[in-house]
Amino acid sequence: AQKITQTQPGMFVQEKEAVTLDCTYDTSDQSYGLFWYKQPSSGEMIFLIYQGSYDEQNATEGRYSLNFQKARKSANLVISASQLGDSAMYFCAMSTNFGNEKLTFGTGTRLTIIP
Amino acid sequence: EAQVTQNPRYLITVTGKKLTVTCSQNMNHEYMSWYRQDPGLGLRQIYYSMNVEVTDKGDVPEGYKVSRKEKRNFPLILESPSPNQTSLYFCASSFYVGDREVNEQFFGPGTRLTVL
Repeated sequence: AQKITQTQPGMFVQEKEAVTLDCTYDTSDQSYGLFWYKQPSSGEMIFLIYQGSYDEQNATEGRYSLNFQKARKSANLVISASQLGDSAMYFCAMSTNFGNEKLTFGTGTRLTIIP
Repeated sequence: EAQVTQNPRYLITVTGKKLTVTCSQNMNHEYMSWYRQDPGLGLRQIYYSMNVEVTDKGDVPEGYKVSRKEKRNFPLILESPSPNQTSLYFCASSFYVGDREVNEQFFGPGTRLTVL
């Protein structure tokens, strides 16, 4: 069974600072993918970034990067130069793609950016 | 515009009154899935479908039914809703790229259901 753990229920960060959201995962599968989604107060799920288990380089998408440490089973999201619009709920998720591309989600981290 | 749509977006109903939440995607995706989101629990999969006429249970299927008669549509059916099914529901879809890769899932806007 797969499990995602997000240990930070809430974070407050000053605008323009970098922020790291923690995510650890547990799986016995060799092939898997790790995702981060953003959920603003409006409720929709916005895809941010993806890391495959066989990718040797950390994924980056604009101000988002994924700090992937396979041996430690961690996949932390780093947001550089935070903005007020980054205030939202952030979910880490994993898929192991064995006929069902189910995403297993963590419980989320609520990020609040302070002006 | 490539998208996943859900209807209705908001629904208040009473215990036992059958309802259907529709989901439609215009990206020709093989894979579709339903999740429910509850505070403190993240999102949990209800049912999924790998293609037309192929569906299977996720982690929390009790009290729900689905069908996949057309590739683009994947309705979620609550035959006899109960208050514990009050939740935020998401439909998602993606291409199926095989056993060696995983793929981004596109989410619908969500349906907020309240069962009184």
